[in-house]
Parts: sequence; structure tokens; C-alpha cells
Amino acid sequence: GDSVTQMEGPVTLSEEAFLTINCTYTATGYPSLFWYVQYPGEGLQLLLKATKADDKGSNKGFEATYRKETTSFHLEKGSVQVSDSAVYFCAGLSGNTGKLIFGQGTTLQVKP
Amino acid sequence: ETGVTQTPRHLVMGMTNKKSLKCEQHLGHNAMYWYKQSAKKPLELMFVYNFKEQTENNSVPSRFSPECPNSSHLFLHLHTLQPEDSALYLCASSQGNSEADTQYFGPGTRLTVL
Repeated sequence: GDSVTQMEGPVTLSEEAFLTINCTYTATGYPSLFWYVQYPGEGLQLLLKATKADDKGSNKGFEATYRKETTSFHLEKGSVQVSDSAVYFCAGLSGNTGKLIFGQGTTLQVKP
Repeated sequence: ETGVTQTPRHLVMGMTNKKSLKCEQHLGHNAMYWYKQSAKKPLELMFVYNFKEQTENNSVPSRFSPECPNSSHLFLHLHTLQPEDSALYLCASSQGNSEADTQYFGPGTRLTVL
């Protein structure tokens, strides 16, 4: 079945460091891909998405490019802030089932 | 603010209690979802409703009973829960009609079962 795999955390960075959180998917076809962010004590918020190969999603300084050849959708940010500390979830919309398949989440902690 | 609200935000209940979680979406969507988020486990899809009809029940125990009276409201009725049911319960909604369907989540209800 379809699956999404994220790099394990936690990831700890200093403020203004470069961030990469890896995400790869296994699916039949090419699902729409999403990054969600969950701040402490809150629900999930859509951060960005891409619906087809080579699409780049971007929001709040975060970017992710849908790479069909590597089946990846890695999240990047050039300069993280303390306020970016949260749990980040990669997800894919399964074409078979219509379900949103989530990765296990990656905790990011940014220190001043 | 995502357009999806959930009440209550926090709930503590005993194993013999009956309570209900409420979700409301103001986005004009046709599909609504319940997820369970437990510590150190992936998000678990529990139920899906599309145009008020239940289209998915992901092997959820009968002590959880969903209700969707219209496309804007979704309830999760709880009775005789177990301590392992303590978790964050998230509601989401989406258009429900395209390959790029995006789900929007509420803030969740933090449930503690004593």
C-alpha cells in the first residue's frame, strides 16, 4: 500500500541555520503531497502542497519540490527561527483509497 | 484560524461517562474526518463522511460512535472508554471531490480518560 516515510527526529538547530526534513513516498501513481505543521498544543496546519511532479510548494519561507525521479518531497528553509519549533508532518493523498497518508512526524527544535 | 472549530478543547472523563466531541466547519466542504493522535504514534484515521454518508470506518471500536447530521457538523460520541483512548482527537474537512483534495484541521480535543 501507499506509505510516507520521514526522517526521524528530533532535529535541533540554532537560529538562522538551514533546515532540511526528508520525506519520501511509495505509491501507485503520483499522489498530491503535503507538509503540515503542528505547533505545541494545537492541531495540524497546512504549510504547503504540490499536486504534480516538479511542482514547488512554498509558504512562510519553507519550500518543497515534488521530485518524481526520487519520489521525494523534502522540506527546506534557509534560515529557521525559534518560532518554527514544531512537529512537521509529510503526507500524501493516496490515489487508490483517497486517504491522506501521514508520515510519523519530525520534531524541530530551534534554539536561540 | 483554519475554518474548522472543535469543542471542547480539553475533556477529562471517567471510564463510565458518556460525552461527545463536536466539530464544525465553515468552509463549505463536503467531507469530514476524525483522526486520533496518540503520543509517539502516527495519526490514525478513524472515520470519513462524504456528503453526510459514512464512507470509512477504520476498524474503530464501537465505544466511539460518529454522527454527521449535515455537511458542516460532525460529532464523536464516547462511552465506556479505556485509559488507552486518551489522545488528541482531530477533526478535518475537505472538498471531497478532487485528486488534489486538501484537508483542513481543527485544533483538536485533548481527551484524558481516567
